[in-house]
Amino acid sequence: AQSVAQPEDQVNVAEGNPLTVKCTYSVSGNPYLFWYVQYPNRGLQFLLKYITGDNLVKGSYGFEAEFNKSQTSFHLKKPSALVSDSALYFCAVSLNTGFQKLVFGTGTRLLVSP
Amino acid sequence: EAQVTQNPRYLITVTGKKLTVTCSQNMNHEYMSWYRQDPGLGLRQIYYSMNVEVTDKGDVPEGYKVSRKEKRNFPLILESPSPNQTSLYFCASSRGQGRSYEQYFGPGTRLTVT
Repeated sequence: AQSVAQPEDQVNVAEGNPLTVKCTYSVSGNPYLFWYVQYPNRGLQFLLKYITGDNLVKGSYGFEAEFNKSQTSFHLKKPSALVSDSALYFCAVSLNTGFQKLVFGTGTRLLVSP
Repeated sequence: EAQVTQNPRYLITVTGKKLTVTCSQNMNHEYMSWYRQDPGLGLRQIYYSMNVEVTDKGDVPEGYKVSRKEKRNFPLILESPSPNQTSLYFCASSRGQGRSYEQYFGPGTRLTVT
């Protein structure tokens, strides 16, 4: 089955430290991968995506993600965390169905402490 | 401002009482979709629409109906709500049907069925 896994329900990090939110995928063909963020009482917001090309993708709010084909991973990273980064993060893969079909991971809650 | 709007934001209802959650986007997007978000399950697709009068089932369509009579609107209808439909619902839209397009999400509708 084609799927996305986020192995950590929660990630805790101190402000100013680097953060990583993990995502692994299992799909047939070339993966199209996305990261979305959900702040409290808000809808999901697009952060970044990997379609093809450079394995390091830069996105909004200083976030970046590294695509690793051999490890089937697409981890979200930020060099220096902010308290305002605290939110729920979703990894998603767009399936090769001929139309848009997103499969989401279960989400990882990021808590950045002052 | 480009946005996806949903109404109502919060709804408490009783089993069997028909309800409609409206969704509207002002970006002239072709593709629209409904998701439900449940703890530990991430987001699951209910229905999607590739254009006016073109809709299809997602992963969890049972108990739901949709229609797409206008490009901007994509209402979600629960003909006879049941407690297992208590959830957080999101509408989303996308500029195109292709895999590479990101989705824009509404703010969510929290539904409780008693």
